[in-house]
Formats: sequence, C-alpha cells, structure tokens
Amino acid sequence: AQSVAQPEDQVNVAEGNPLTVKCTYSVSGNPYLFWYVQYPNRGLQFLLKYITGDNLVKGSYGFEAEFNKSQTSFHLKKPSALVSDSALYFCAVRDKAAGNKLTFGGGTRVLVKP
Amino acid sequence: GAVVSQHPSWVICKSGTSVKIECRSLDFQATTMFWYRQFPKQSLMLMATSNEGSKATYEQGVEKDKFLINHASLTLSTLTVTSAHPEDSSFYICSADRAVGELFFGEGSRLTVL
Repeated sequence: AQSVAQPEDQVNVAEGNPLTVKCTYSVSGNPYLFWYVQYPNRGLQFLLKYITGDNLVKGSYGFEAEFNKSQTSFHLKKPSALVSDSALYFCAVRDKAAGNKLTFGGGTRVLVKP
Repeated sequence: GAVVSQHPSWVICKSGTSVKIECRSLDFQATTMFWYRQFPKQSLMLMATSNEGSKATYEQGVEKDKFLINHASLTLSTLTVTSAHPEDSSFYICSADRAVGELFFGEGSRLTVL
C-alpha cells in the first residue's frame, strides 16, 4: 500500500528565510508526487507535481521540490518565505498500482512570522 | 487552469435530514471524481471514487448507504449524506481527474448537522 509521511506537524520560519517542508513516500511502482496548499475553509490548491524527468520541479508562488528516489523524499522548498505562505501544506502520492488513488500525508502547518 | 466547482460551500441541517453536495468540472470532462472528508486539523481521507456511468467504489469503513454517490455525467458527481447526524459534520472536498497526474480540487463544502 502506498503511504506518505510528513514528519513535522508545524514549521515556523521568519519572513525572508528559507522554508522547507519535508515529505517521504512509499509506493510499489513509480510515484506521481504532488504538493498542495490549503488555506482555512478552502479546498486544495495545486503547487507542483513530479511525474518524470528532472528531479527538481518548479511550481507556483516560487515553490520548488526535489524528487530523491534513493531517499524516497519529495521535500518542498522556498528560498524566501512570505507571511502569506502561512497555510497547511499537503504532500500526496499517486500510484497506478493503487488505482491512481491520491494518498495524502498528514499535512504540515507553516507559520511565517514577520 | 481547470476549475472544479463545489456547491454548497456551507450547509447547516437538522439531524435526520439528507444533504446533497454537488461537484462539477466546469471546463473539462472527468470520468473519475473523488470524494474526501477532512476533520479539523487533519488530513484528507478518501471516501470513495466516483466513476461516470457506474457504481462508486468506497473505501474501507465508509458506509455506502450513508454516503450516496452518483456520477450521472462526465461533469457532475453528487454526494448525498443521508439521515445526517452531528458526527457527519465535516469538511467534504471533491476532486476531478482530467488526466493521469492532473487532479483538480473543489473549494470544499462544510456540513454542520445540528
């Protein structure tokens, strides 16, 4: 069965500092990996995805993520965090062997302080 | 980008009544839609996979008679919470599959059962 782990419930960072949100995954086949952001009482907004190709994926709002197959990780990064980046971030994995279902990590709350 | 519309955004109902939530893909056809449930400060839990023209596939532990799913067309899936009780109060989110690797989410529907 596929699974996703986000080891940190919350990440605090000062505005302007680099932001990293960790994600590791487990799948039986080749993973499709995603990052989504959720603001209070809203749906999920797509940030970026890795399907194949370059391990470094660039996405929306200045976010990027690096696919590391040997470490089964897909950490989300932003070089300089903004207060408006404060939100709930979800890593997700999709596996054809699991019927293309999307499995989410537990979420990481990011708090960017001015 | 693709748009998925979910309606209503908020609904309050009395215990014992049924509530229908609609999920529409506005600018693409979706043969598959997914319904998730999210409890406060928790991740998304997949409830069921809605397939156009056939029965929904429910995840283990989800009562199919309680949560009726209908996917009557390529752009519309509905979730009906039957005989709702306070424990059904939650945030329900749908997503629509445009192609493998492209999953778009609705804005969510917050159900409060009194």
